[in-house]
Amino acid sequence: EAGVTQFPSHSVIEKGQTVTLRCDPISGHDNLYWYRRVMGKEIKFLLHFVKESKQDESGMPNNRFLAERTGGTYSTLKVQPAELEDSGVYFCASSQQGLGYEQYFGPGTRLTVT
Amino acid sequence: DQQVKQNSPSLSVQEGRISILNCDYTNSMFDYFLWYKKYPAEGPTFLISISSIKDKNEDGRFTVFLNKSAKHLSLHIVPSQPGDSAVYFCAASDRYGGSQGNLIFGKGTKLSVKP
Repeated sequence: EAGVTQFPSHSVIEKGQTVTLRCDPISGHDNLYWYRRVMGKEIKFLLHFVKESKQDESGMPNNRFLAERTGGTYSTLKVQPAELEDSGVYFCASSQQGLGYEQYFGPGTRLTVT
Repeated sequence: DQQVKQNSPSLSVQEGRISILNCDYTNSMFDYFLWYKKYPAEGPTFLISISSIKDKNEDGRFTVFLNKSAKHLSLHIVPSQPGDSAVYFCAASDRYGGSQGNLIFGKGTKLSVKP
């Protein structure tokens, strides 16, 4: 069974540009989460999809971040326009339907904004 | 304010001995706890979890203990192996409350197992 995949693995963009990160969850997992780790800090929750619906987006930093999950399969996270403080590693995780199941993480996308 | 705390940034253990990683939490609504292991340039890998209705869960060399009254959990690795060297994250969730299963992470403890 394929794990969670993320693309790209690394992105370097200039301040003010746009970047779109993609996450493909484990097949059949209804729950999809985005997290971010800024250097030296803890991994922090951004948002949670159940199928195609946003269940909780309380962790999204501001309206420069837009997440979508069309058809309840893969998800994208767009940052527009990017700022320096957006640099970090963005992780995607997925879990089975319902709560109380472990979340499986992808390898992350390292975003560097210069 | 951090709700999940791992107060030891690093831990060094001799191969074959026990590794004990600690985690404290402040939110009494947390009802599900997990440990993840992370190697450089990889995502966190799930290790073991425990529900708040239990005080111990064991899986091979890994055992997690939960002390709800102290709001403390620990991960024991016995025996420790060099391949266990990684950063270990403690995470907690309030599954049926406001966070709906979202994980709150500690800052991690870097474990080094010396041959």
